[in-house]
Amino acid sequence: AQSVTQPDIHITVSEGASLELRCNYSYGATPYLFWYVQSPGQGLQLLLKYFSGDTLVQGIKGFEAEFKRSQSSFNLRKPSVHWSDAAEYFCAVGGGNNNDMRFGAGTRLTVKP
Amino acid sequence: NAGVTQTPKFQVLKTGQSMTLQCAQDMNHEYMSWYRQDPGMGLRLIHYSVGAGITDQGEVPNGYNVSRSTTEDFPLRLLSAAPSQTSVYFCASKTRPDNSPLHFGNGTRLTVT
Repeated sequence: AQSVTQPDIHITVSEGASLELRCNYSYGATPYLFWYVQSPGQGLQLLLKYFSGDTLVQGIKGFEAEFKRSQSSFNLRKPSVHWSDAAEYFCAVGGGNNNDMRFGAGTRLTVKP
Repeated sequence: NAGVTQTPKFQVLKTGQSMTLQCAQDMNHEYMSWYRQDPGMGLRLIHYSVGAGITDQGEVPNGYNVSRSTTEDFPLRLLSAAPSQTSVYFCASKTRPDNSPLHFGNGTRLTVT
């Protein structure tokens, strides 16, 4: 089955600094890839998704992610972080008919003023 | 548009008790699923359903039962609760096509003592 690794458990960045959250996946074919964000006590909200076409995808709240097949990665980026971006971020991968979506362990983002 | 609604928000059970976590969606989504979220482990798929009358196991199905008698509802049953089932449970749904993202409820926090 497909799997996801998010190597960073916790990242701290200063407000206004750039951000990159790492995601590596394992799947034999072209996967469906997603980034979700979770604020405390809330469910998960979709930031962006990739399934084909342009490997650089744009999402909500100024986030973007790049699919790199050669590296099996789908890293999330934002050029300038805002304090409201503090949350937990999850990368997810779906394969085949995407009925069995697997999530990474998550990366908690802290934003320093 | 309510989206995905989970009840209750919080629940405390004693070991051996049974209960049902409720999930309802009003988006006419064919696919529904249950995840559990544990610290450091991300979200793990328990069961899913691709339509009324059809259910299948996910990554961690043991100790949980599901049924899907209507498109709207997908209850999760714990027949004999165990402390290992202490977790936050999320219900999610999605529509076709296969690359559609999941829509999440706000979760149920379950504690088993």
